[in-house]
Amino acid sequence: QVQLVESGGGLVKPGGSLRLFCAASGFTFSDYYMSWIRQAPGKGLEWVSDISSSGSTIYYADSVKGRVTVSRDNAKNSLDLQMNSLRVEDTAIYYCARARGYSGYGHPGWFDPWGQGTLVTVSS
Amino acid sequence: QSVLTQPPSVSGAPGQRLTISCTGSSSNIGAGFDVHWYQQLPGTAPKLLIYANSNRPSGVPDRFSGSKSGTSASLVITGLQAEDESDYYCQSYDSSLSGSVFGGGTKLTVL
Repeated sequence: QVQLVESGGGLVKPGGSLRLFCAASGFTFSDYYMSWIRQAPGKGLEWVSDISSSGSTIYYADSVKGRVTVSRDNAKNSLDLQMNSLRVEDTAIYYCARARGYSGYGHPGWFDPWGQGTLVTVSS
Repeated sequence: QSVLTQPPSVSGAPGQRLTISCTGSSSNIGAGFDVHWYQQLPGTAPKLLIYANSNRPSGVPDRFSGSKSGTSASLVITGLQAEDESDYYCQSYDSSLSGSVFGGGTKLTVL
């Protein structure tokens, strides 16, 4: 079955860096856009980034642009999120998700399925 | 402040029909972009409930339905069950923000 497993979360000080990982299985990874979405504790969902199936097209939310880099390795069925200059407000569960469909302007439509998430805590 | 507006909470008795609204603007729902809905049970990852306004993935009961009109969308749950107690989120694309946007979420309580 389709499975996404995130890892790499943890406690980091403000200004620090962290790299998140997402291992995909059960589908042809190289055929799909992939996305990162986060959820601050007790809060709603916030889209973070999309990366095209080849990795050639990448989109970021303004809240993370310039501080975050998404990449993928289709040979290893893996998705990464490198986060630098972390802020307290980046504290959240980070989910990777397979993106489906088409919304417009080259962006994917919806997210299905989602991984179980990995918690990033930014605190001094 | 979420780009898409949802009521923070709704409640209903078992068997009832319930509607959760999702209100956007001319740069997202009103521009014709599709709306998708997710269910997030406590302590778990979101799960796709409705995609492209009104389509149900396989395995989602037909008690759940979606619609879109103008700058708003709705998720309707009929025959409310205790297991429906969850958080629900709508999602669309916003051309001004150049990315996906979510509603703030609605907590559904089954009385």
